[in-house]
Amino acid sequence: AQTVTQSQPEMSVQEAETVTLSCTYDTSENNYYLFWYKQPPSRQMILVIRQEAYKQQNATENRFSVNFQKAAKSFSLKISDSQLGDTAMYFCAFTTNRGSQGNLIFGKGTKLSVKP
Amino acid sequence: EADIYQTPRYLVIGTGKKITLECSQTMGHDKMYWYQQDPGMELHLIHYSYGVNSTEKGDLSSESTVSRIRTEHFPLTLESARPSHTSQYLCASSENLGSSYTFGSGTRLTVV
Repeated sequence: AQTVTQSQPEMSVQEAETVTLSCTYDTSENNYYLFWYKQPPSRQMILVIRQEAYKQQNATENRFSVNFQKAAKSFSLKISDSQLGDTAMYFCAFTTNRGSQGNLIFGKGTKLSVKP
Repeated sequence: EADIYQTPRYLVIGTGKKITLECSQTMGHDKMYWYQQDPGMELHLIHYSYGVNSTEKGDLSSESTVSRIRTEHFPLTLESARPSHTSQYLCASSENLGSSYTFGSGTRLTVV
């Protein structure tokens, strides 16, 4: 069975500092996709970053970057220069592209609070 | 600007009522999904569809039903609502397997 584990239920960071959210996953597949989603309080879930497993280069989107370690099945999210608007639930997610296994599998989320 | 729309945003109804949660998308995506989000914020897939006239149950057993008569529309129905159905329901769509999902704003349902 494929699983996604986020071991940090809650984290906090000071504004302008850097924070790293952890995510590990388990799969026997070789081709798959990894995502980080952000859900601000009472707002829509939005995509933060996407990584394709066959690409060795870590994905980056402005202040958000990932550390993808395929052998260790680890996919952490680094947020640089944290802003108050980064306060949200962050979900790590995984999918293959094979039939119903192509549905996203989510971790339980990490609640991030950015403090002024 | 949202390309996937859920209505209503909030709903409070009495036990035993029939309700339909609406979800529509304008992106032409074949794949659509319904998630139930519990108070701890964990997401559970309850239904999905890979195209018109195709629906499947997800990982979490649900008393709700869905239909997919048009590509853009994926409503979820509860025939007889109960307090245990109180939750947030999120609708999403994707272009292909492996593509990112686009989520709606959610419907927060309270059954009293």
